[in-house]
Amino acid sequence: GENVEQHPSTLSVQEGDSAVIKCTYSDSASNYFPWYKQELGKRPQLIIDIRSNVGEKKDQRIAVTLNKTAKHFSLHITETQPEDSAVYFCAASTLPSGTYKYIFGTGTRLKVLA
Amino acid sequence: DTEVTQTPKHLVMGMTNKKSLKCEQHMGHRAMYWYKQKAKKPPELMFVYSYEKLSINESVPSRFSPECPNSSLLNLHLHALQPEDSALYLCASSLPTNEQFFGPGTRLTVL
Repeated sequence: GENVEQHPSTLSVQEGDSAVIKCTYSDSASNYFPWYKQELGKRPQLIIDIRSNVGEKKDQRIAVTLNKTAKHFSLHITETQPEDSAVYFCAASTLPSGTYKYIFGTGTRLKVLA
Repeated sequence: DTEVTQTPKHLVMGMTNKKSLKCEQHMGHRAMYWYKQKAKKPPELMFVYSYEKLSINESVPSRFSPECPNSSLLNLHLHALQPEDSALYLCASSLPTNEQFFGPGTRLTVL
């Protein structure tokens, strides 16, 4: 069945350094790739997303890249800050949605050390 | 209104109790979801309603019973749960062409 692999499972970086989280998806029909940030005890919040008709998208310190051929997409956080510490989930879906199914990666726990 | 709301925030129930979780959105979204999330794990899809009809049931035990009374409301009825059902239950909603928004969740403890 469809699945999304996410690496690494934990990531520690020094404040100010960059962090990169990588995901690989299996369903070639997937065309929508959101990234969620989840702080302890809170809801997953969408931080950035990318559709398959673009290769890169940036929003201030956060960027996402997509390689459709390799079925890889990555989250890049530059100039990390302590408040970036959280669990990050990638996901894959097909939009417009017939199934409304989002396949989530297993999550990456990011720790930004002050 | 750009939010998904859920009640209650916390729920403690015994294995013989019947309770319900409620989710509401007023963004005009036509898909609504129930997810179960255990600690340190991703959200696990349980049910999807599309245009008020159940479109996905991920082989969820019958002790969980979803209901979509109208396009803004989603309920999850709980009966005879087990301690291993203790988790964060997240509701979400979306349009067919856009991102999914999550509610704050209900933290459920089954004693």
